[in-house]
Amino acid sequence: DGGITQSPKYLFRKEGQNVTLSCEQNLNHDAMYWYRQDPGQGLRLIYYSQIVNDFQKGDIAEGYSVSREKKESFPLTVTSAQKNPTAFYLCASTEGWGDETQYFGPGTRLLVL
Amino acid sequence: QQQVKQSPQSLIVQKGGISIINCAYENTAFDYFPWYQQFPGKGPALLIAIRPDVSEKKEGRFTISFNKSAKQFSLHIMDSQPGDSATYFCAATSSYSGGSNYKLTFGKGTLLTVNP
Repeated sequence: DGGITQSPKYLFRKEGQNVTLSCEQNLNHDAMYWYRQDPGQGLRLIYYSQIVNDFQKGDIAEGYSVSREKKESFPLTVTSAQKNPTAFYLCASTEGWGDETQYFGPGTRLLVL
Repeated sequence: QQQVKQSPQSLIVQKGGISIINCAYENTAFDYFPWYQQFPGKGPALLIAIRPDVSEKKEGRFTISFNKSAKQFSLHIMDSQPGDSATYFCAATSSYSGGSNYKLTFGKGTLLTVNP
């Protein structure tokens, strides 16, 4: 089955620690996205990538970093500079090039110890 | 500013009733308007989408109504069922952003509760 997988489902971060959230897709989609979801705030775009080795900041990129070394993978690192990291993180992808449908993964919930 | 304003924030409907969620946008370049459904602890899933060349699109019990001049669109859920209880997000993007990237601008969501 094609789809997007995110791991882990739950992640705990200690103060001053960097943590990395995994996102993998086997849909052969070109574009991938990371969103942060907080209660009552909707989905806010952190970073997005159109192709391998290219990525752009979204609306709330501060305190986050990404890489896109492979088409199917788009990991997100939440750095110690992100002072309020507790949220539900969602990865998504689009085939692009005329198909705007955005497919989402199951999400990772990040909690601070 | 590219914004999509969604209302109401929460909605309670009786089983069999009609649920209506409204969205308004500002950017006239937007030309693709999807609705997403999200159950607790899960990722959003595309429910239905519309383009400005039509005023209405229906898929089963779900209908999008679109008013281009008012820059508004709405989701109607007919014969609402308890299984429809979820958070609904409207969104918008421009097909002319180029390349493979279609950044979505989301509304803040509506928590729908359908009572049995």
